[in-house]
Amino acid sequence: DTGVSQDPRHKITKRGQNVTFRCDPISEHNRLYWYRQTLGQGPEFLTYFQNEAQLEKSRLLSDRFSAERPKGSFSTLEIQRTEQGDSAMYLCASRGGGTYNEQFFGPGTRLTVL
Amino acid sequence: GEDVEQSLFLSVREGDSSVINCTYTDSSSTYLYWYKQEPGAGLQLLTYIFSNMDMKQDQRLTVLLNKKDKHLSLRIADTQTGDSAIYFCAEKGTGGYQKVTFGTGTKLQVIP
Repeated sequence: DTGVSQDPRHKITKRGQNVTFRCDPISEHNRLYWYRQTLGQGPEFLTYFQNEAQLEKSRLLSDRFSAERPKGSFSTLEIQRTEQGDSAMYLCASRGGGTYNEQFFGPGTRLTVL
Repeated sequence: GEDVEQSLFLSVREGDSSVINCTYTDSSSTYLYWYKQEPGAGLQLLTYIFSNMDMKQDQRLTVLLNKKDKHLSLRIADTQTGDSAIYFCAEKGTGGYQKVTFGTGTKLQVIP
């Protein structure tokens, strides 16, 4: 295991469709984060898991968004009834028990909603 | 809420030093980070500084922290074309479980 992986890398969908993204963290990391990054902006925090528990959610995470980490390993992020404003790069990061809280990022899933 | 500001663009000649600046608002920040993002790649942590430090040096990278002014800078010595990327300043405060707030990013262009 060499890093955080995300699948798919690109997703094009029509408005109103549901999409699901997957993140596989570094295997020994128990903490997992989802971020959203739009063009010209930095990543914005969406949600945080410690093991299988979702401990924090941003106000950006509307009720159309749901994230799970059922076994405390991989995580999924689902967006229902997609809107054009959902078009962005969705980044996943994981962290172990390091003292300086380094988060290791995956390459992201780029979502385009037509 | 927390806010992190950066200038959008910096252009330097190869071999010169680059200085990227960042200001933040959260006075309770514990860690401050610099991340690098290259096209098509994820964010890579370059360096970090703990809030009780003023300076940290790591090879070509020097981080300066002015906690009073809430100002962070990243100096890259002998800038190379491979340093061309977007650089993000980020801070972790004490609020929330593990939330990290990122700036908007500074695009560094290195001219050969």
